[in-house]
Amino acid sequence: GENVEQHPSTLSVQEGDSAVIKCTYSDSASNYFPWYKQELGKRPQLIIDIRSNVGEKKDQRIAVTLNKTAKHFSLHITETQPEDSAVYFCAASIMGSGTYKYIFGTGTRLKVLA
Amino acid sequence: EAGVTQSPTHLIKTRGQQATLRCSPISGHTSVYWYQQALGLGLQFLLWYDEGEERNRGNFPPRFSGRQFPNYSSELNVNALELEDSALYLCASSRTSDSPLHFGNGTRLTVT
Repeated sequence: GENVEQHPSTLSVQEGDSAVIKCTYSDSASNYFPWYKQELGKRPQLIIDIRSNVGEKKDQRIAVTLNKTAKHFSLHITETQPEDSAVYFCAASIMGSGTYKYIFGTGTRLKVLA
Repeated sequence: EAGVTQSPTHLIKTRGQQATLRCSPISGHTSVYWYQQALGLGLQFLLWYDEGEERNRGNFPPRFSGRQFPNYSSELNVNALELEDSALYLCASSRTSDSPLHFGNGTRLTVT
């Protein structure tokens, strides 16, 4: 069935270093790829998203890249700070299908070491 | 704008009882989604409501059910509670079925 694989499951980086989280999706019809950040005890929050007609999107220290041919997309966080420590979820969705098509990855626990 | 609100924040029930969880979407949002997040695990899709109708359900037994009201708020009902139902239940809303999801803070259900 359709799924989204997310790697790594845990990631520790030194403050100031970069962090990269990768996701691979199976359904070639997917056209929308959001990333959510969930801090401990809090709700998942949308931090960035990308649609299939775009290859890269940046928002300050956060960027997402999409390779439609290879069916994978990645989250890049530069100059990491302790407050970036959280669980990050990727998702692949098919907008406009009329049916539920949000498939979430299993999450990456990012720890930024001060 | 006010975010997605869920109530109660915490709910403690015993096995076999029934639980009712509530969700108010962001004003103007017509789609409501329910997810189960067991401790340390990912987001498992439960139900999707749009314009008052159930559009899709995930791979959960029929004792998980819900509804969406005319004001687009929603209820999740879990009957015959089992210990493994203990989890954080998250509600999300979107403006349309083609818009990004925005999550609430969740209801932590504990079944003893």
